[in-house]
Amino acid sequence: QVQLVQSGAEVKKPGASVKVSCKASGYTFRSYGITWVRQAPGQGLEWMGWISGYNGNTNYAQKLQGRVTMTTDTSTSTGYMELRSLRSDDTAVYYCARVDSNLFDYWGQGTLVTVSS
Amino acid sequence: IVLTQSPGTLSLSPGERATLSCRASQSVSSSYLAWYQHKPGQAPRLLMYAVSNRATGIPDRFSGSGSGTVFTLSISRLEPEDVAVYYCQQYRNSPTFGQGTKVEIK
Repeated sequence: QVQLVQSGAEVKKPGASVKVSCKASGYTFRSYGITWVRQAPGQGLEWMGWISGYNGNTNYAQKLQGRVTMTTDTSTSTGYMELRSLRSDDTAVYYCARVDSNLFDYWGQGTLVTVSS
Repeated sequence: IVLTQSPGTLSLSPGERATLSCRASQSVSSSYLAWYQHKPGQAPRLLMYAVSNRATGIPDRFSGSGSGTVFTLSISRLEPEDVAVYYCQQYRNSPTFGQGTKVEIK
């Protein structure tokens, strides 16, 4: 069965970087993309961007351009999301999801990233 | 594309019909409109896609309709397990989500 398993919670100081991983199993990794969505406390879902599992092409949300980088390692079927220059309003649960025809059909369990001095 | 959902919170009794609205700031092309269900402490779950198609395993009490800029998610007979926040999403190019409608049981 399709599973996406994310790395554990992180606590970071303002200005630092965080890198969250998302290990996929149960499907052919290169045939689908990976997207990242976050939810700040008490807020709704915010799309961050996506990356093709086939060729690594990316499309980032304009708001995060220059601070976010998404990559994949096809040898381990793992996607990564790195966010730099962290601020307190980056505190959120970060989710990865598989992308099938632009739909987010399977999701990881979420990773809490806390930014605090 | 900005999506605006209403109401913010819907409080209904079990067995009642729930109607959730999603309005887009411009036409959502080729019916690239989806709904997600998000329960506390869980990952979001794809509910509906292309306006009216149920995702795998979604019961038929859920239905979607609409076109252009106005879309609706209906739950025909509300059950306690349907308590969640529901988000509409357009997924044409740069996806956006609505702000969500919280469904509660009275």
